[in-house]
Amino acid sequence: GESVGLHLPTLSVQEGDNSIINCAYSNSASDYFIWYKQESGKGPQFIIDIRSNMDKRQGQRVTVLLNKTVKHLSLQIAATQPGDSAVYFCAETGAAGNKLTFGGGTRVLVKP
Amino acid sequence: KAGVTQTPRYLIKTRGQQVTLSCSPISGHRSVSWYQQTPGQGLQFLFEYFSETQRNKGNFPGRFSGRQFSNSRSEMNVSTLELGDSALYLCASDSGQNTEAFFGQGTRLTVV
Repeated sequence: GESVGLHLPTLSVQEGDNSIINCAYSNSASDYFIWYKQESGKGPQFIIDIRSNMDKRQGQRVTVLLNKTVKHLSLQIAATQPGDSAVYFCAETGAAGNKLTFGGGTRVLVKP
Repeated sequence: KAGVTQTPRYLIKTRGQQVTLSCSPISGHRSVSWYQQTPGQGLQFLFEYFSETQRNKGNFPGRFSGRQFSNSRSEMNVSTLELGDSALYLCASDSGQNTEAFFGQGTRLTVV
């Protein structure tokens, strides 16, 4: 089936630095993308989304970039804080209904 | 506004038994989706219900089933439990219009 970045790399970042998390997706029909943050023992928490008619969207300290040509999605976190330590997942959907296909996740560790 | 509520939070069952998990969506949300999360397979889509009808289904055996009630609350059932069914089961709700999905805390199922 479709896959979205099935590896779980770890990104170690110094507090205050910017973080960039990358995600590759394989379904060219995908038209809606979401980034989630999951802390230990909790469910995924919505961070930011983007539709395929956009290539950039900004939120509070976060920016999502979408490159449909190479089927790549990234999440940028500005001034990373200890509370940003978590596993981050990208997810996409394009089919009828709301079936989300998730990537494998990236663990972000923020060093004080 | 209350978030997505899943009950129970933790469950231990024996192989061969069946289990029912419950999910109460955010008020006003008509779509409820279920996901299985394991370290090996990541987050995988089980099924989605919208207005009491299953609208989308993932690639899981028939032992996994669900339903949705008129108040949008949903249950999922797993029959003849196997050790490999041990996982975090997550429920997400959204408006049903391909918008951001909000997750509950999950039910941690352990099959022994």
